[in-house]
Amino acid sequence: EAQVTQNPRYLITVTGKKLTVTCSQNMNHEYMSWYRQDPGLGLRQIYYSMNVEVTDKGDVPEGYKVSRKEKRNFPLILESPSPNQTSLYFCASSLSSGRAYNEQFFGPGTRLTVL
Amino acid sequence: ELKVEQNPLFLSMQEGKNYTIYCNYSTTSDRLYWYRQDPGKSLESLFVLLSNGAVKQEGRLMASLDTKARLSTLHITAAVHDLSATYFCAVDRRRDDKIIFGKGTRLHILP
Repeated sequence: EAQVTQNPRYLITVTGKKLTVTCSQNMNHEYMSWYRQDPGLGLRQIYYSMNVEVTDKGDVPEGYKVSRKEKRNFPLILESPSPNQTSLYFCASSLSSGRAYNEQFFGPGTRLTVL
Repeated sequence: ELKVEQNPLFLSMQEGKNYTIYCNYSTTSDRLYWYRQDPGKSLESLFVLLSNGAVKQEGRLMASLDTKARLSTLHITAAVHDLSATYFCAVDRRRDDKIIFGKGTRLHILP
């Protein structure tokens, strides 16, 4: 089944404790992206990647890191989480940014709480 | 700066009525997307609009794109309760492939 998976789905942590949220897709997609969703703010892009070893900042990259060592995986790293990073996080992927369209397929979401 | 504005942000309507959600964006783009999100769920793609004048229809939903006006609309015909969800439009900025979402329109259809 074609899908985007994220782990963990729920996470409660404390300020400053490094964490990684994994994202994997099995559709051979080139483009992958991370978003955070907050009430009243919609989805905001954190980082995106157009291919292996190519990453770019989205609108809200501060406090986050990403890597794209393999095509299928795009982990989101919070080196020192803070309470303002409490949010619902979505990973998404799409076929290719260079093609005619970039319809994205979304993972199930990760609800993160930073105390 | 690319901005995407949706209105209304919240819409409560009766079943059987028609209504339109508007999506304005501030930069040149010919790729616009509509997504649906059910409460507590992820997003699923509804429509991809790729050119000026594009119109797509699926059931009671119809989306259109006017790139000159930088406007997309999502029209709901004879609404039914199952269409209750939050609808997002998103714009793809070709020059750097950044994607910007609107804040979403929360649609509540009363049975």
